[in-house]
Parts: sequence; C-alpha cells; structure tokens
Amino acid sequence: DAGVTQTPRHEVAEKGQTIILKCEPVSGHNDLFWYRQTKIQGLELLSYFRSKSLMEDGGAFKDRFKAEMLNSSFSTLKIQPTEPKDSAVYLCASSLRETLYFGSGTRLTVL
Amino acid sequence: QQQVRQSPQSLTVWEGETAILNCSYEDSTFDYFPWYWQFPRESPALLIAIRPVSNKKEDGRFTIFFNKREKKLSLHITDSQPGDSATYFCAANSGGSNYKLTFGKGTLLTVTP
Repeated sequence: DAGVTQTPRHEVAEKGQTIILKCEPVSGHNDLFWYRQTKIQGLELLSYFRSKSLMEDGGAFKDRFKAEMLNSSFSTLKIQPTEPKDSAVYLCASSLRETLYFGSGTRLTVL
Repeated sequence: QQQVRQSPQSLTVWEGETAILNCSYEDSTFDYFPWYWQFPRESPALLIAIRPVSNKKEDGRFTIFFNKREKKLSLHITDSQPGDSATYFCAANSGGSNYKLTFGKGTLLTVTP
C-alpha cells in the first residue's frame, strides 16, 4: 500500500506569493491532518478533516492558511500571502483510527 | 498554553544505558498517549502508546510508565543503542472518535557508542 504522498518536497517562495501544497492520504483512511513543524514550536495542527468535512481549523492559522479536501484522496494547503515566518516543514498525515501516518513533508522556504 | 510538555529538551546517554524521557499534560480529558519518534530527515512515526486504564506499557526495550494522578508519563529506553538516536514526541488526544493529536515539543536523544 502506498503511504501518504506529499508534493512538492521542497518549495521556495518570495514573500507575498501564494503557494499550494498537495497531499494524497493512504487509501481508505478517513481522517487527514495538516501539521506545521518548526524547531521552536514543534508540531502545530493547521487543519483536521474527516471524510472531507472540516473537523478543526488551527485558530492561529486561519487568516492566511486554507486547507481543502477536494475529494477523499486529495487535499491541498494554500498559504496566501506567504511570509518569511512561514518557513517550516509542512506535514500531512492520515489515519483510520488513532495512529497517524505522516508523509515525507514539504520544506517551505520563504525569502 | 502548552498542553503537553516534555523534558529534557535533549538527552545524551552512553550505549547500554537507560534513557528516561518525561512528559506531562494539562487536559484531564486526554485519554490516549502515543509516543512518536522521528529520525533525521524523516517524518514522525508511532513508537508505542498507552491508555490510562494501564499504568505501564512495554514493547521490547521501550516502556511507558503512566501516573494519572500527577498527569505525568515517561518513556524508558533500556539498553540504549546508537540506532535509537532520534527526536521523541509525546502526544495526547481526548479519545472518542476525535483522532487529533496534541504534540509536545520533543526530546532529542543521542546515544553515544
């Protein structure tokens, strides 16, 4: 079985640009999560979906971050406009029950 | 307010020693506590997990000790190996059908040969 697939692996953006990160969850998993990982803040939840319905939207990330599930097998995370402080690794994870399976992540650098 | 706290931030032990990683939490509704480990340039993966009905969970060299009254848990790694060098995250959720995990900031473990 394929794991969680994230693209691109690396993204470099200029301040103010719009970027879209993509995620394909494990087939059959109902829950999908977007986390941001930095050394200082650790793993922070951005969005949580179940069967395409938004369960939770990370409060601190609502203004410029928007995650969507276009269908049960594809999700996007849009950051608009990007700021240098958004530089981080963005992790997508999916689950059927309690165990989260993470993708390889997208490393975003905002100049 | 940080809901899940970990200490120490980093820990170095010699090969063969026991490493002890600590975790505490605030929310009394938390009832599932997994530990994830993350190797350099990889993503987090589940290592071991415990529910409060137990105060101990063992899997090979890895053991979770849980103290519900004090809202504390710890991960003990016996006979530490260089291959155990990774960042260890304590996490929690409130159970039921909500699988969202709240993570601590992690402990970086280095096992020196």
